[in-house]
Amino acid sequence: DSGVTQTPKHLITATGQRVTLRCSPRSGDLSVYWYQQSLDQGLQFLIQYYNGEERAKGNILERFSAQQFPDLHSELNLSSLELGDSALYFCASSGSAGTGETQYFGPGTRLLVL
Amino acid sequence: QKEVEQDPGPLSVPEGAIVSLNCTYSNSAFQYFMWYRQYSRKGPELLMYTYSSGNKEDGRFTAQVDKSSKYISLFIRDSQPSDSATYLCAMRDAGGTSYGKLTFGQGTILTVHP
Repeated sequence: DSGVTQTPKHLITATGQRVTLRCSPRSGDLSVYWYQQSLDQGLQFLIQYYNGEERAKGNILERFSAQQFPDLHSELNLSSLELGDSALYFCASSGSAGTGETQYFGPGTRLLVL
Repeated sequence: QKEVEQDPGPLSVPEGAIVSLNCTYSNSAFQYFMWYRQYSRKGPELLMYTYSSGNKEDGRFTAQVDKSSKYISLFIRDSQPSDSATYLCAMRDAGGTSYGKLTFGQGTILTVHP
């Protein structure tokens, strides 16, 4: 158990809908990262937050947004969902924003868009 | 062309075999190199972490980084059925605007037969 929690574990929704994925980092970790894992693209970095501020952005679609709250939990919002958004979404956390930090991954949220 | 290339396998070996997993990369800014293990329907779990070139050993696992060739390897000695998983290489540069972004290979599916 990495200490990173994600809810829900599974999510089934329809095209055009909006969902929110939640992540609680390990105790004391200030950085949260979101990744998307699909069969064709592999594991891809979406966005990083450090202590409430956005720090780095990857290939995140404009339909997707994230935030980190004062208690350091983070939410990833996916809107106008398309079939291609079906994937595993992972959250990871690390102690700081430093590039030398180890990232610990949560168990993921499996999203299925029908 | 992807920044990180990894043979997806699948790789099937008998118990006790030595397993060699490899990744090549094109971005010379990568300084931190990691291997993650991912069991089915679980989040990636960090196995090995190395900075710059060289070797690192941890039990049955040895990680090698050759920055001049842009090539990294993970060796598993005396492989066990419990090693059956997907192995993902991951890399990160030294900073700048990418901060903590990890770039992953596609992952190699490994099965170790009793």
